[in-house]
This record gives sequence, C-alpha cells and structure tokens, in this order.
Amino acid sequence: AQRVTQPEKLLSVFKGAPVELKCNYSYSGSPELFWYVQYSRQRLQLLLRHISRESIKGFTADLNKGETSFHLKKPFAQEEDSAMYYCALRDTGGFKTIFGAGTRLFVKA
Amino acid sequence: NAGVTQTPKFQVLKTGQSMTLQCAQDMNHEYMSWYRQDPGMGLRLIHYSVGAGITDQGEVPNGYNVSRSTTEDFPLRLLSAAPSQTSVYFCASKVGLGDTEAFFGQGTRLTVV
Repeated sequence: AQRVTQPEKLLSVFKGAPVELKCNYSYSGSPELFWYVQYSRQRLQLLLRHISRESIKGFTADLNKGETSFHLKKPFAQEEDSAMYYCALRDTGGFKTIFGAGTRLFVKA
Repeated sequence: NAGVTQTPKFQVLKTGQSMTLQCAQDMNHEYMSWYRQDPGMGLRLIHYSVGAGITDQGEVPNGYNVSRSTTEDFPLRLLSAAPSQTSVYFCASKVGLGDTEAFFGQGTRLTVV
C-alpha cells in the first residue's frame, strides 16, 4: 500500500541549529516526492520536489530509494521556518497525492 | 490573480444539515481536488476531477458529493452532516496530471455539532 510516514509530530530546535524532518514512504513503483509547508494562517504551499533537486529557503531533500526516505534538511534553522511541514508522494498516474501526517517545526530564539 | 478561492472560511452545522463548500480557480487548471485535514492524519483525498464533467472518488469519499460543470468550479456537498465530518477542508488545483497540487485554497474550517 502507498503510505507516507512522518514519525515526528513536533520538532523543536534552537535558532541556528541544524534541522532534519523525517519522511519515509512505501510505494511499489518509482515515486515522486514533495515537501509542502503551511505557515501560520497561510495556505499550504509547495516547498520543493525531489526531481528538481533544488534548495528552497535553505532547505534540501534527498531521495534515498534504498532507505525509502525523503528527509528535509536545513543546516541553520531560522525562526521564520516555524511551520507545519508535510511530506507527500504522487502516484504514477498523477491522480492522487498522498500526504503524511505532518511535522510541526518550532524554532526557538 | 486570485488563485484558488474557497468559501466559506468557517461554518458550523447541526447534525443532519446539508451544505456546499465552494471552490473556484481562475488559472484554467484541469485538475481539482478536495482534501480534509485532521490532526495526526495529514491531508486525505475526498474527491477529485480531471476536467469538466469528470469526477472520481478519493480515499474518504463517503458522505460527500462533487460535480464539475465548469473548469473553474468544483463544489463539495455534504449531504447529511455528521460530527465525524468536523475538519478543515482544502481545495487544490494543478495544471494537469503531470504536476502535483501546487495551488491550495485557504481552507474551510467546518464544525458539526
């Protein structure tokens, strides 16, 4: 079954510390994976996608097919990074995007 | 450019009442979808549409109906509201199947008492 698991509901780090939000997936084919972010009182927005291999707002994510993971990382967390982060997987046909339960990141001053 | 617009933002219903959540997009996107967001469960797909006149069920379709008479609009109908439908509802759209849901509405917070 297709599944996205985000094991941490809440992650709290100090400003300037490295941060890693974990995401593991279960998918039989070649997945397309994404990270979405929802800042307080704002709509959900796409942060990055694995096929782009891009860095957005200092965040990067590498797809590890061996470990079936797509962890989101940032070397130095900022207070404005505090938000809800969702890992998502798009099925081959493109009809459905499956979301993880989300991780709330809290960056302390 | 308004993007994806949802109305209302908040709604309280009594058990058994019906209502329609509105969703409109002005980007000429073919694909639209409805999700519900519940604590600890992330976003779950309710229904989706790949174009005008075409809809299909998602992961949790029971208790909801949709229609897509135009490219712009994709309303979600609750036929007989139940407390289990208390949730935050998000509408999303994307250009086509080859992309992901890059555009979300602001959400509708629904409480069923």
